[in-house]
Amino acid sequence: AQSVAQPEDQVNVAEGNPLTVKCTYSVSGNPYLFWYVQYPNRGLQFLLKYITGDNLVKGSYGFEAEFNKSQTSFHLKKPSALVSDSALYFCAVLNTNAGKSTFGDGTTLTVKP
Amino acid sequence: NAGVTQTPKFRVLKTGQSMTLLCAQDMNHEYMYWYRQDPGMGLRLIHYSVGEGTTAKGEVPDGYNVSRLKKQNFLLGLESAAPSQTSVYFCASSYPSRGYREQYFGPGTRLTVT
Repeated sequence: AQSVAQPEDQVNVAEGNPLTVKCTYSVSGNPYLFWYVQYPNRGLQFLLKYITGDNLVKGSYGFEAEFNKSQTSFHLKKPSALVSDSALYFCAVLNTNAGKSTFGDGTTLTVKP
Repeated sequence: NAGVTQTPKFRVLKTGQSMTLLCAQDMNHEYMYWYRQDPGMGLRLIHYSVGEGTTAKGEVPDGYNVSRLKKQNFLLGLESAAPSQTSVYFCASSYPSRGYREQYFGPGTRLTVT
């Protein structure tokens, strides 16, 4: 069975500082990994994905994520946080055989001015 | 191109009542999903479909039924609503090609069962 863990319920950073939102996964076979963002009272929006290739993946709004196979991690990063980045972030892993994804419990990111 | 739409946006039901939530997508996606989101519990998959006429159970299917009669629509039914089904429901769709796979989500339906 596949699983995703987001070890931090909440991450607080100051505007302009770098941010990291952590994600670890467990899956048999090659992982398909995703990050989504949810703003209040909205649906989830796709940020970026790792399918294959470079371990550093770039996505929307200046976010990037680093895939680390040995540590089974896929941490979301941004060099300089904005107040508007404050939202709920979800990591997900796709079961390609079944066509369904497993989501983490989410991490609330708060960026303070 | 509206993406994924959900109807209704809000609904209040009494215990024992029934209702159907409608999800529609105009992206010609093969896969469609229904999730519920509860505080502190992330997203939990209720049912999903990998093509027209097919459905499969997810993580929390009890008390729900689904149908995918048309490729663009995925219906979620509650036959006898219970307070435990108070939640925000999200529909999503995706394209199964190797280079894609990300899910596109609707805006959600906030359901309260009293």
